[in-house]
Amino acid sequence: GENVEQHPSTLSVQEGDSAVIKCTYSDSASNYFPWYKQELGKGPQLIIDIRSNVGEKKDQRIAVTLNKTAKHFSLHITETQPEDSAVYFCAAISAGGSYIPTFGRGTSLIVHP
Amino acid sequence: SAVISQKPSRDICQRGTSLTIQCQVDSQVTMMFWYRQQPGQSLTLIATANQGSEATYESGFVIDKFPISRPNLTFSTLTVSNMSPEDSSIYLCSVEGEGAGEGYTFGSGTRLTVV
Repeated sequence: GENVEQHPSTLSVQEGDSAVIKCTYSDSASNYFPWYKQELGKGPQLIIDIRSNVGEKKDQRIAVTLNKTAKHFSLHITETQPEDSAVYFCAAISAGGSYIPTFGRGTSLIVHP
Repeated sequence: SAVISQKPSRDICQRGTSLTIQCQVDSQVTMMFWYRQQPGQSLTLIATANQGSEATYESGFVIDKFPISRPNLTFSTLTVSNMSPEDSSIYLCSVEGEGAGEGYTFGSGTRLTVV
């Protein structure tokens, strides 16, 4: 089955800096890669996603890049703000499988004012 | 995307008792998913619930411990039975987005503490 590795487990940055979270996946059939943000006491919320036919996608301060050959994808947050502090999860889904996401272990992002 | 109402948001329960968690979706969905998130950990799928059929459980989870109901296309319940402190976790329900495998939406979670 699919295996998703996520790094780092904790990321601490100063407000205004950029933050990058990286994930690798094992199943070459995976073709959809969502990212979730989970704030304390809340459920995960989809913030951005990317399909395997696209190399990069951007939405304001967040962007996701995908390298299918290397089987890795990354979340980039620019101009970080304290409200970006949360746990971020990557996931991989295979259209040829059960359509159930395999999640990474999460990255706790702390943005210091 | 679908909006999910999950309750209770938190509970503290005595060991040996059971707790039923409810999820209500604002639109009809084919599949609903139940996850467990242990403190500081990722999300682990417990089971997939289809309306009109028995839930499909992942390895390590059994129906006797986590019975699930799915009476219609907008509602599901998960019961955590005969609880022990090891069951202390956040439990989340989830549904797919409009396309298969896309844009999963999660409920706000139920934080369960077993004492």
